[in-house]
Amino acid sequence: EVQLVESGGGLVQPGRSLRLSCAGSGFTFGDYAMSWVRQAPGKGLEWLGFIRGRGYGGTAEYAASVKGRFIISRDDSKTTAYLRMSSLKAEDTAVYYCARSVVVLNDDSYYYYMDVWGKGTTVTVSS
Amino acid sequence: QSVLTQPPSVSAAPGQKVTISCSGSSSNIGNNFVSWYQKLPGTAPKLLIYGNNKRPSGIPDRFSGSKSGPSATLGITGLQTGDEALYYCAMWDSSLSGVLVFGGGTKLTVL
Repeated sequence: EVQLVESGGGLVQPGRSLRLSCAGSGFTFGDYAMSWVRQAPGKGLEWLGFIRGRGYGGTAEYAASVKGRFIISRDDSKTTAYLRMSSLKAEDTAVYYCARSVVVLNDDSYYYYMDVWGKGTTVTVSS
Repeated sequence: QSVLTQPPSVSAAPGQKVTISCSGSSSNIGNNFVSWYQKLPGTAPKLLIYGNNKRPSGIPDRFSGSKSGPSATLGITGLQTGDEALYYCAMWDSSLSGVLVFGGGTKLTVL
């Protein structure tokens, strides 16, 4: 069974850092990109960024809203992706999801979509 | 404020059909691919449609996707009470080195 399990959430003070983990199983982890998405209380889904699979260099891209504060990495030997969040603010309070991301090559372009999601981990930023 | 605009809510009776729009511009949706996700409270988002109109295995054909110019549409036929959820469109913009944008979400109420 293909599965993603997030961990590392909890209560953290403003200004501190936190690292979330996303453990994958049931598929060849390194072949896939991994995305991070969050949902703040009462808000919609927000894509934070993703990291490409090894076949595409393993590089990361970020949403403008978190670029410079959040870092996505991966350890394919541990089939785990990470989201390192720094200088946390109250508005970072949310449920954080990781999602397996599939790349589709289409003529001279490409796109990604997220086909498998974890159940999420909750991050609360408060003093 | 997302570049993709969805109606805040739609509603229909069980058994009926509903459509949810996702409006952008010719430069974003018009040139890129749209996916749709269902979000039930307390659960992870679920992929319904990718590549504008493709259904993953396991998604019933009651769900359909289409795109025309700067807009995409999710259609749901034979509405069931279990379809009551939030629905999000998303667009992968390959012109910006790769970013994904979600629409604001639409709350579907099955009356």
